[in-house]
Formats: sequence, C-alpha cells, structure tokens
Amino acid sequence: EVHLVESGGGLVKPGGSLRLSCAASGFTFTSCSMNWVRQAPGKGLEWVSFISGGSNYKYYADSVKGRFTISRDNAKNSLYLQMNSLRAEDTAVYYCAREGFGELSPSLDYWGQGTLVTVSS
Amino acid sequence: SYELTQPPSVSVSPGQTARITCSGDALPKQFAYWYQQKPGQAPVMVIYKDSERPSGIPERFSGSSSGRTVTLTISGVQAEDEADYYCQSADSSGKYRVFGGGTKLTVL
Repeated sequence: EVHLVESGGGLVKPGGSLRLSCAASGFTFTSCSMNWVRQAPGKGLEWVSFISGGSNYKYYADSVKGRFTISRDNAKNSLYLQMNSLRAEDTAVYYCAREGFGELSPSLDYWGQGTLVTVSS
Repeated sequence: SYELTQPPSVSVSPGQTARITCSGDALPKQFAYWYQQKPGQAPVMVIYKDSERPSGIPERFSGSSSGRTVTLTISGVQAEDEADYYCQSADSSGKYRVFGGGTKLTVL
C-alpha cells in the first residue's frame, strides 16, 4: 500500500527557512515523479513543484521560483522541499503527492496527509 | 501563467445530477484530472484522463471533454458527495501542473 508521510512543518518568522520532508513507502520510489502541492487556509489547491524520478527535471510555480528548492534521496525513499525567504502568503498545508506513471502523468494519484507551515512574526 | 477556470459553487438536491465545468486554453491538448476533497482530508482523484474512473470510485462519477472545457458529472448525487472538487491539468508545454480554483458542491 502506498504511504506518503510529510514532516517538518511549523511556525517560522517572515524571511526564515524551513525544510519539509516526505517519506514514501509501498512503491518503487525511484521510478516515480513527485510533486509538492499547497493549500492556504480556506483556499484552493496550488501546485508548487515537480521533480522527476532521477532528479533530471525540476519545475516550480512562479510564486516560489528562486526561493524554494525541491530535491529527493532515492536511497532513503524521501522527497524534500527547502523553503527560504518565507513570506506570510506561504502559510499553507503542504502536501507531498505522487505523480501517475506514464500515460497517467501528470495526475497526482496518491497524496500524503499534509504538514502545516505557518509564516508569522 | 496558465489558468483553469471553475465555478466557485454548485448546488443540487439529492438524487439530481451535478455538473462542474473546467475551462482552459490547453485542455484540447492536455488531459484533465478531477479530485474530491472533504474537510480536513487530502484530495482523492475521482477522474483521470478526462473521463476514466479509478478503481473504487462510484459509477455515478463521470467525466467528459469538449474543446476548451472538461466537465465532471455526478449522477444521482448523494449527501456524501458534498465536497470541494478541483480540476487539474498541465500547461501546453507539459511542464507546469495547474489546478482550477475549486468548486464547492452543496447537496441541499
């Protein structure tokens, strides 16, 4: 069974940094592209970033480009999101989501339960 | 940046049919996917590749596509279908994923 468990969220001051992690299990991690998606309180889903299985391709939403960095460690079945220069508008629940294989790309077929990031002084 | 447009809300009575639309310039080239999200829960995919239904999703959920618009149809709506629904696709390059703004389905 596929499991995705996010961690690393918390309260951080504006301008600060935070690193989110996502532990994956139940599938061949190295074969799957992964994404981060966020949801501000009471708002809709916003795609944040994508990384291919071998880390060859990385894409970012304009709202986070230059501030956030996606990475993965396939030996540890883990996905990361390094968030720098955080702003109040980055406050959200951050979800780790697996991308579907092949013709199912770019669907997001499995999601974690999310980790809350709050940016406030 | 690329956008997908959904109506903010749709209301139907139990047993009726709910239709939620999603429009975007790249939809003739890119498949769309639909997710259901209930309060406090992670999203769950209910339709993939415009009209395919994942295993475990009730048959009352269906999808269709016509030009720039895709539609999620829920036939015989039940109280448990009350949720937020999001369409998702990619821009014309296929690189950037995008979500619609979401539609709140209310079962009267």
